[in-house]
Amino acid sequence: GENVEQHPSTLSVQEGDSAVIKCTYSDSASNYFPWYKQELGKGPQLIIDIRSNVGEKKDQRIAVTLNKTAKHFSLHITETQPEDSAVYFCAAIRTGANNLFFGTGTRLTVIP
Amino acid sequence: DSGVTQTPKHLITATGQRVTLRCSPRSGDLSVYWYQQSLDQGLQFLIQYYNGEERAKGNILERFSAQQFPDLHSELNLSSLELGDSALYFCASSSAPGHNEQFFGPGTRLTVL
Repeated sequence: GENVEQHPSTLSVQEGDSAVIKCTYSDSASNYFPWYKQELGKGPQLIIDIRSNVGEKKDQRIAVTLNKTAKHFSLHITETQPEDSAVYFCAAIRTGANNLFFGTGTRLTVIP
Repeated sequence: DSGVTQTPKHLITATGQRVTLRCSPRSGDLSVYWYQQSLDQGLQFLIQYYNGEERAKGNILERFSAQQFPDLHSELNLSSLELGDSALYFCASSSAPGHNEQFFGPGTRLTVL
């Protein structure tokens, strides 16, 4: 099955700086890579995703990049704000599979 | 708000007891997934249903069972509860198994004393 590794486990940045979270996956057939943000006491919220037919996707201050050859993908948050503080999870899945395989999460703290 | 609802929000019970967690998927979604989130295990996939039928099983214990009803809501039954079953239980839904976007509910926090 798929194995997703996520780094770092914790990340602290100053407000306004950028944050980068990286994930690697093992199954070369994986072709869908979502990122979830989980705030305290809430369920994971889908914030951005990317499919294997593109290398980068942006949505305002967040972007995701995918390197299929190296089997890794990254979440980039620019101009971080205190409300970006949360736990972020990456995940991977291939067409036809039934469940997402999640990374272990990154706790991002944005210091005002 | 993802459109996925879960009840109850919190549940406190004793070891050996049985509880039922309920999930209603987003309108129009046919597939329901259950996940367990504990501090040391991250998000673990338990089971998936599509249009009333079980589609996939993950790391679900034999003491746990689930079902999806004709109105597409789903219930997760946890029996003979142990202290280690204390966790957050999330339900997610998607439009179909081939559509990978999954939307999560707010979760049920289970505490077993």
